[in-house]
Amino acid sequence: SAVISQKPSRDICQRGTSLTIQCQVDSQVTMMFWYRQQPGQSLTLIATANQGSEATYESGFVIDKFPISRPNLTFSTLTVSNMSPEDSSIYLCSVYGVRTEAFFGQGTRLTVV
Amino acid sequence: AQSVTQPDIHITVSEGASLELRCNYSYGATPYLFWYVQSPGQGLQLLLKYFSGDTLVQGIKGFEAEFKRSQSSFNLRKPSVHWSDAAEYFCAVGEISGGGADGLTFGKGTHLIIQP
Repeated sequence: SAVISQKPSRDICQRGTSLTIQCQVDSQVTMMFWYRQQPGQSLTLIATANQGSEATYESGFVIDKFPISRPNLTFSTLTVSNMSPEDSSIYLCSVYGVRTEAFFGQGTRLTVV
Repeated sequence: AQSVTQPDIHITVSEGASLELRCNYSYGATPYLFWYVQSPGQGLQLLLKYFSGDTLVQGIKGFEAEFKRSQSSFNLRKPSVHWSDAAEYFCAVGEISGGGADGLTFGKGTHLIIQP
């Protein structure tokens, strides 16, 4: 199993500012994933983060808006840049390996005002 | 591209009655299938998963699901629901490709309401 810690758990931010979300895993993992869950909606994959390479973004998500760092095998950050109220969501970090379940952090509840 | 369909947005079931939540997927390869539950304000909890082998899988909290390749379905069942089962249920599918594990594709979720 894997235990994932996300910080912050929630935040209220002013529009136009940026927020960096941290994800710490208690074991080394090759791939980490970032998801967004908009209010009342399902989860949507933002990007896949591999250690030592650039993140791979899904359609509709771009690096300038959601820059991701992956400095080592246990840590990643997601930044939500130049925020607008439409960015108000829960952001979740996840790890998922071959023949294992997908583990999720508790999420970061972001409100942009 | 893969997709997951949960055709029921809301389901209302009486406490003690049986439950079946539907999930259909579109996938090119053999999928890895998951059911997650999310209670209000809570994180995602894995109920069960299917990778291979026996197509009937048992999960936590008395849930089970059956993988039917011919129907591209992975329906979740419970013989007798409890009021505490009221939550949002998500079906998800993943794949292991040559480059490693891909992120999961989630269905839109089914909101389960339990009536007394």
